[in-house]
Amino acid sequence: TQLLEQSPQFLSIQEGENLTVYCNSSSVFSSLQWYRQEPGEGPVLLVTVVTGGEVKKLKRLTFQFGDARKDSSLHITAAQPGDTGLYLCAGGMTTDSWGKLQFGAGTQVVVTP
Amino acid sequence: SAVISQKPSRDICQRGTSLTIQCQVDSQVTMMFWYRQQPGQSLTLIATANQGSEATYESGFVIDKFPISRPNLTFSTLTVSNMSPEDSSIYLCSVDTSGDTQYFGPGTRLTVL
Repeated sequence: TQLLEQSPQFLSIQEGENLTVYCNSSSVFSSLQWYRQEPGEGPVLLVTVVTGGEVKKLKRLTFQFGDARKDSSLHITAAQPGDTGLYLCAGGMTTDSWGKLQFGAGTQVVVTP
Repeated sequence: SAVISQKPSRDICQRGTSLTIQCQVDSQVTMMFWYRQQPGQSLTLIATANQGSEATYESGFVIDKFPISRPNLTFSTLTVSNMSPEDSSIYLCSVDTSGDTQYFGPGTRLTVL
């Protein structure tokens, strides 16, 4: 059972378009991370959000953590081919003292020139 | 953050054999994790490896199949034993430096014939 539901599973867009990836759960998380993974590489951390309602911006990427800390979104403005990759959200469990993360199933994003 | 290296980066093995994957971190960390990832899919946690204690395995993973060593605060190994084609996957190690965020190695791509 996936505690974190990511949508959509796959997204193909043209360069210059905007996109949003969603990460939803019925569970409350102490923190939420977004990673991007390219073929043949490990996931690379993009951002960590810890406060309900928090919004963080990283150049063309905007991350939001829901007020109740159950959901998050990643918005990319004017997508570029370099944004292509597998986007993964991962939640830190409030009741888990070992620091384990729950990963979503991932969203494969393809940006074509 | 942390810089993590893994060896080997990829390997092709015969069924019935074993492979040991090494994970080296550039700083001392308490918590290390081992994941398995099918191509294009999300990460599945195999076990948590803390220095000085036995590894903690997730449901569906057992020590006889995936023995783990954690001899010090910068190094860990994962062995995939008595391999079958179903073990073909990407194996990733990660470290937790703050209790909420994990940093990943580049992964080891394993193919079992």
